[in-house]
Amino acid sequence: GQNIDQPTEMTATEGAIVQINCTYQTSGFNGLFWYQQHAGEAPTFLSYNVLDGLEEKGRFSSFLSRSKGYSYLLLKELQMKDSASYLCAVRDRNTGGFKTIFGAGTRLFVKA
Amino acid sequence: EPEVTQTPSHQVTQMGQEVILRCVPISNHLYFYWYRQILGQKVEFLVSFYNNEISEKSEIFDDQFSVERPDGSNFTLKIRSTKLEDSAMYFCASSGQGNEQFFGPGTRLTVL
Repeated sequence: GQNIDQPTEMTATEGAIVQINCTYQTSGFNGLFWYQQHAGEAPTFLSYNVLDGLEEKGRFSSFLSRSKGYSYLLLKELQMKDSASYLCAVRDRNTGGFKTIFGAGTRLFVKA
Repeated sequence: EPEVTQTPSHQVTQMGQEVILRCVPISNHLYFYWYRQILGQKVEFLVSFYNNEISEKSEIFDDQFSVERPDGSNFTLKIRSTKLEDSAMYFCASSGQGNEQFFGPGTRLTVL
């Protein structure tokens, strides 16, 4: 089966750096996504990793280790608007096609 | 910037009634998805659709659910006989050749 674990909540200070971890177990791994979701809104895409290593995009970076079943999302120079839920999601390939399995999300609170 | 649109934004229905949720994916996208999110819970994959057929579906997507692409622009999710537990936010998403899935704003379904 599939399982995705990430911390429920984190708190960080404006201007700081925060790392949100995600561990996963899946049978047909085909990539890992990070999404941001503000309350009452749709998820918005942040990053995609399919190979090991670090992907950097502005203030956001995402890391993947397939052998460890582990990823993290790094947010730098935190802003108040970064307060949101961060969803780790794994694309799993079965015989028919792909399905994307989401973790429960990490709610990040950025304080002044 | 192109975006996924969904109608209606909020649908209220009586238990046992049929509902159709509508989505207009981004015009040159080829892959279409439905997800649901029960209030306070994680995003759950329902179904993926490619080349006019279902490519993958989850255990949630039982015989009460169906999807259709009736014309070149719309993508619909039908629930034949709604249950109380179908109350959720339903998100449509689409993707092109890349891996980023663009989510619509969602339809909030309330079953009474």
